[in-house]
Amino acid sequence: DAKTTQPPSMDCAEGRAANLPCNHSTISGNEYVYWYRQIHSQGPPYIIHGLKNNETNEVASLIITEDRKSSTLILPHATLRDTAVYYCIVRVGTSNTGKLIFGQGTTLQVKP
Amino acid sequence: GAVVSQHPSRVICKSGTSVKIECRSLDFQATTMFWYRQFPKQSLMLMATSNEGSKATYEQGVEKDKFLINHASLTLSTLTVTSAHPEDSSFYICSARTSGGLYTGELFFGEGSRLTVL
Repeated sequence: DAKTTQPPSMDCAEGRAANLPCNHSTISGNEYVYWYRQIHSQGPPYIIHGLKNNETNEVASLIITEDRKSSTLILPHATLRDTAVYYCIVRVGTSNTGKLIFGQGTTLQVKP
Repeated sequence: GAVVSQHPSRVICKSGTSVKIECRSLDFQATTMFWYRQFPKQSLMLMATSNEGSKATYEQGVEKDKFLINHASLTLSTLTVTSAHPEDSSFYICSARTSGGLYTGELFFGEGSRLTVL
């Protein structure tokens, strides 16, 4: 199973872009990269996912390197409410029961 | 987006009793649901994969007789913690996958259920 490595914590100034890196050097060709975030003791909402192309939605952008061994989640204009634990996850399995294995995540602290 | 509801959100029980937690997909059908456990200041740990109409698949180290999972319908999965002990106190989170294509559709998470065993 491909695993991910994330820095344990990061700080970001409010209003600035938050760039959260993730390494997944053992990712295989048919595995997707997913990002979720968790605010204290709540279920982690989905943010974004991608395979090899960069993706953007109303919340964030996902930049995946050409070799797919790493990716970066970008929150374009971080707010205090973006303070949370962010999980980068590689989709495991090739069946419809593909499961998500969580790593330790990055605790992002957005400061005023 | 799709909504997954868990009930109860908080439960306190005495040691030795059993507790059932429900996970419902409110506006979509979920052939697969996942159960996670999270201890304070730790990440989510996958406990088991629940497939509608079949037996759950448990992760290594998770006692299937301790954590009974039933996925009787496309919108409901239940986790029963049997003979609960204080060390079972944790935050239990379910997620449900939409019945879409192989690589489409994200997993939606419930809000979690906090179990405290006295």
